[in-house]
Amino acid sequence: RKEVEQDPGPFNVPEGATVAFNCTYSNSASQSFFWYRQDCRKEPKLLMSVYSSGNEDGRFTAQLNRASQYISLLIRDSKLSDSATYLCVVKGNNFNKFYFGSGTKLNVKP
Amino acid sequence: DAGVIQSPRHEVTEMGQEVTLRCKPISGHDYLFWYRQTMMRGLELLIYFNNNVPIDDSGMPEDRFSAKMPNASFSTLKIQPSEPRDSAVYFCASSLGQRTTKEKLFFGSGTQLSVL
Repeated sequence: RKEVEQDPGPFNVPEGATVAFNCTYSNSASQSFFWYRQDCRKEPKLLMSVYSSGNEDGRFTAQLNRASQYISLLIRDSKLSDSATYLCVVKGNNFNKFYFGSGTKLNVKP
Repeated sequence: DAGVIQSPRHEVTEMGQEVTLRCKPISGHDYLFWYRQTMMRGLELLIYFNNNVPIDDSGMPEDRFSAKMPNASFSTLKIQPSEPRDSAVYFCASSLGQRTTKEKLFFGSGTQLSVL
């Protein structure tokens, strides 16, 4: 079983739409959670960390449900520039290994 | 402030040849990671180092792959002999290694490897 599972998409949405991505993780002892963004042919870059209480950064909201081992990312008012692959990342309880999901592709259309 | 630097950006080689990928982590970062990304398998952790010492190489596919970190500012990933199935993007990443939930990875631009 994979450490982190994501729906690969693609999610095709119009500008201004709200879109949500989910991912699940297998290790209940995982300590840290992140969303990374990867543009085509580029390296992954940190979008936001995910905290237990949920957190927001502008149009982006991340949620963590430890009981269900589930992480979500909500993007409001989608922009064309949000088109990318979003990677769910979980850091193990040894604080050293980062496990990446396969990514969810988002296409925002005009 | 320079980020993680990888070279070369692109490498095209023939099957059976030796390939060496290079990485310079961010100064002061204690952890260095080598990842491989393919369409089929996504991002896979190959090996990581802490203070220049290999900690976990369980992701290294086979003996043809080797990695070294002779000092805090340089690491190499070597494939010998290379095979077409090694074609992928290889990323190097570094982190401070802080034991906090705010720890994050910084990636280099990657090396696109094509083995013909």
